[in-house]
Amino acid sequence: AQSVTQPDIHITVSEGASLELRCNYSYGATPYLFWYVQSPGQGLQLLLKYFSGDTLVQGIKGFEAEFKRSQSSFNLRKPSVHWSDAAEYFCAVEPGTYKYIFGTGTRLKVLA
Amino acid sequence: DSGVTQTPKHLITATGQRVTLRCSPRSGDLSVYWYQQSLDQGLQFLIHYYNGEERAKGNILERFSAQQFPDLHSELNLSSLELGDSALYFCASSQAGGPLHNEQFFGPGTRLTVL
Repeated sequence: AQSVTQPDIHITVSEGASLELRCNYSYGATPYLFWYVQSPGQGLQLLLKYFSGDTLVQGIKGFEAEFKRSQSSFNLRKPSVHWSDAAEYFCAVEPGTYKYIFGTGTRLKVLA
Repeated sequence: DSGVTQTPKHLITATGQRVTLRCSPRSGDLSVYWYQQSLDQGLQFLIHYYNGEERAKGNILERFSAQQFPDLHSELNLSSLELGDSALYFCASSQAGGPLHNEQFFGPGTRLTVL
């Protein structure tokens, strides 16, 4: 069955430190891949997406993600985290069925 | 502000009742998507409408139904409510008929509490 795994439920980093959030998917072909961020009490905002082409994708707020076909991964990275990045992050795939499948989310805490 | 509006923001009701959640998409968007976010199930796709027609169905219970009206707003109807239906219900909209190559813009959600 198609699935998305975000193995880290919680991550805590210090402000200014680098960040990597992991996402693995299970699907026969390459799906369409997304990262969304949800701030407390807010809806989801798209950070970046991958459809094809360059496997390193740049997004908003200084985030980037790298698609690795061999590892079925689409990890999100940021070189220097800001306190305002504290939120919940969701990886999602769209395997060509018009249905998004979301991971369980990773809650990011940023220490001052 | 995504431009997607949802009403009400909060809804508290009792088991067995029926409620209607409303969503107004961004101006110009033809697609509306509904999602349920709960602690145990996570974020789950429920249903997608495009220009008034149902386009895709996800894990939507038979007690739930939705429709999209000619003015493109959408309503999600939840009936015979159970405690487990307590969740945050999101609506999202996009310009075209599917999520491919189209960003979905999410509303702030309606928090439903079933007592």
